[in-house]
Amino acid sequence: DGGITQSPKYLFRKEGQNVTLSCEQNLNHDAMYWYRQDPGQGLRLIYYSQIVNDFQKGDIAEGYSVSREKKESFPLTVTSAQKNPTAFYLCASSIEGGHSSTDTQYFGPGTRLTVL
Amino acid sequence: AQTVTQSQPEMSVQEAETVTLSCTYDTSENNYYLFWYKQPPSRQMILVIRQEAYKQQNATENRFSVNFQKAAKSFSLKISDSQLGDTAMYFCAFIGYNNNDMRFGAGTRLTVKP
Repeated sequence: DGGITQSPKYLFRKEGQNVTLSCEQNLNHDAMYWYRQDPGQGLRLIYYSQIVNDFQKGDIAEGYSVSREKKESFPLTVTSAQKNPTAFYLCASSIEGGHSSTDTQYFGPGTRLTVL
Repeated sequence: AQTVTQSQPEMSVQEAETVTLSCTYDTSENNYYLFWYKQPPSRQMILVIRQEAYKQQNATENRFSVNFQKAAKSFSLKISDSQLGDTAMYFCAFIGYNNNDMRFGAGTRLTVKP
């Protein structure tokens, strides 16, 4: 089955700890994205990557970091510098980034992060 | 900057009836794409329908259709013959042709009542 997987589904973290959220896709998509979703709000872009070894900040990148060492994987690290990390995190991918970024984005099932 | 506005936080409809969800957006771009995504209680975001701004014809996907009014910057979603499985949050989204930053509205919570 082709798709996007995110793990874990639920994640708990103590204040001051870094935590990494996994996102893997087997759709052979070039572009990958991380969004944050808070109650009563739409999705907001954290980081995106158009190609391996390259990524760009979105609107709310502060306190987050990413890597893109493999085409299939785009992990997101929530650092202790993120002041309000409790949220639902969604990963997405699309066929291409750049000028074809208007290709449809397909989403993973999400990770719910709670800071205790 | 582009913004997307969904003015209806919640809506309800009787099963088998038709409902229309509103979306307006603000942009200075001429080429862009618009989307409606559905997020059921499972929280999986599912693409419902997509519209290219350069196409005058409104997109349709089975029971789902849009009313795209480019001059008015309006992009409403019509759901015909509503089903219980249509109960979900619905998000309108915009992306300009020359960027990677998809903008989402705050969502409309739709409840289909039996």
